[in-house]
Amino acid sequence: NAGVMQNPRHLVRRRGQEARLRCSPMKGHSHVYWYRQLPEEGLKFMVYLQKENIIDESGMPKERFSAEFPKEGPSILRIQQVVRGDSAAYFCASSPGSESLHFGNGTRLTVT
Amino acid sequence: AQSVSQHNHHVILSEAASLELGCNYSYGGTVNLFWYVQYPGQHLQLLLKYFSGDPLVKGIKGFEAEFIKSKFSFNLRKPSVQWSDTAEYFCAVRPNSNSGYALNFGKGTSLLVTP
Repeated sequence: NAGVMQNPRHLVRRRGQEARLRCSPMKGHSHVYWYRQLPEEGLKFMVYLQKENIIDESGMPKERFSAEFPKEGPSILRIQQVVRGDSAAYFCASSPGSESLHFGNGTRLTVT
Repeated sequence: AQSVSQHNHHVILSEAASLELGCNYSYGGTVNLFWYVQYPGQHLQLLLKYFSGDPLVKGIKGFEAEFIKSKFSFNLRKPSVQWSDTAEYFCAVRPNSNSGYALNFGKGTSLLVTP
């Protein structure tokens, strides 16, 4: 029973490049959540998606960030024109609905 | 503003000491409550959750938490910690007024258990 799979585990990008983070939810889970973790700041909610729909993106920066969860394939968090402040750990979680969230191992993004 | 507060950012305990980590929230109405643990280099794992019923909730690895509605609190406890409990602990709240099932997390408490 595979858990939430995120890749890559580590991603290094230069300023101005694009970062694509992928998340495959647990089997049977149709709800996906993205969180960002910065040192001493805990987990900040970014976006909540169901298949092909964005349900809540209140935590997403208005520019450069986008997320999708297509009918087929993983959920993608996309960051365009990355800046140093985007360096963080990005966690994906999934759930079948109103139960608890199951988290992936995260992607650690470093912007140089 | 709606928030989740964890009072202790860093806690250091000796093995066999008792643990209590504070969590308060400021959401009105019905909430679901969670404690997650993140061991070094690993993903977040659910320790326990409260949805309704008995406000004293027992979780894995000997942890428990008590929901006190009047105090908007959900403190985590363990009577005797072990070195392997060294980790980051996160309290999370799901307000039922949300448009979905996302959780709002506190900033976390880093626990170091010394031998």
